[in-house]
Amino acid sequence: AQRVTQPEKLLSVFKGAPVELKCNYSYSGSPELFWYVQYSRQRLQLLLRHISRESIKGFTADLNKGETSFHLKKPFAQEEDSAMYYCAIGGSNDYKLSFGAGTTVTVRA
Amino acid sequence: DTGVSQNPRHKITKRGQNVTFRCDPISEHNRLYWYRQTLGQGPEFLTYFQNEAQLEKSRLLSDRFSAERPKGSFSTLEIQRTEQGDSAMYLCASSPRDSWDDETQYFGPGTRLLVL
Repeated sequence: AQRVTQPEKLLSVFKGAPVELKCNYSYSGSPELFWYVQYSRQRLQLLLRHISRESIKGFTADLNKGETSFHLKKPFAQEEDSAMYYCAIGGSNDYKLSFGAGTTVTVRA
Repeated sequence: DTGVSQNPRHKITKRGQNVTFRCDPISEHNRLYWYRQTLGQGPEFLTYFQNEAQLEKSRLLSDRFSAERPKGSFSTLEIQRTEQGDSAMYLCASSPRDSWDDETQYFGPGTRLLVL
């Protein structure tokens, strides 16, 4: 069974400081990994996925199959990055997503 | 097209009543998903459709739950004989393709259900 663990419920950083959100997964096969974000009063939306290897809004995430991790990083946090972040995993043979419990990020001025 | 829409946005019901939620996906999206989210948790998969065919159901979906997608357009999720444990946010998502190359799932705003 696929499982996603986000060990931090809350993360508070100062503006301009680096931020890293941890995500570990378990999956027997070739997973597809995603980060979704939910800003205040908005719907859940895709931030980035490992298959596209993009940097979105300054965020990057590297899939480490050896450590089964997909941590999300940004070198300089901005106040508008304050949001709830969910790591999610999909299987290669189906397209449903399994989400972690989420990490609430607060960026302080 | 303003994205995935869900109705109603909020529903309060008494235990034992039936409720039905509707999801309108982005037009021409052939996949539609239902998730449930409880407080402090991420969304949990319930079921999904490819066009009108329901391809998978989670074990979370007891026999009190039924979902349909007639004609492969909008979908409904019905909960019969609601229980207090059904209180949650019910999310709908749709995606345009059936491969990971473009498998972005677009989420609706959700329907928040409270069972008294």
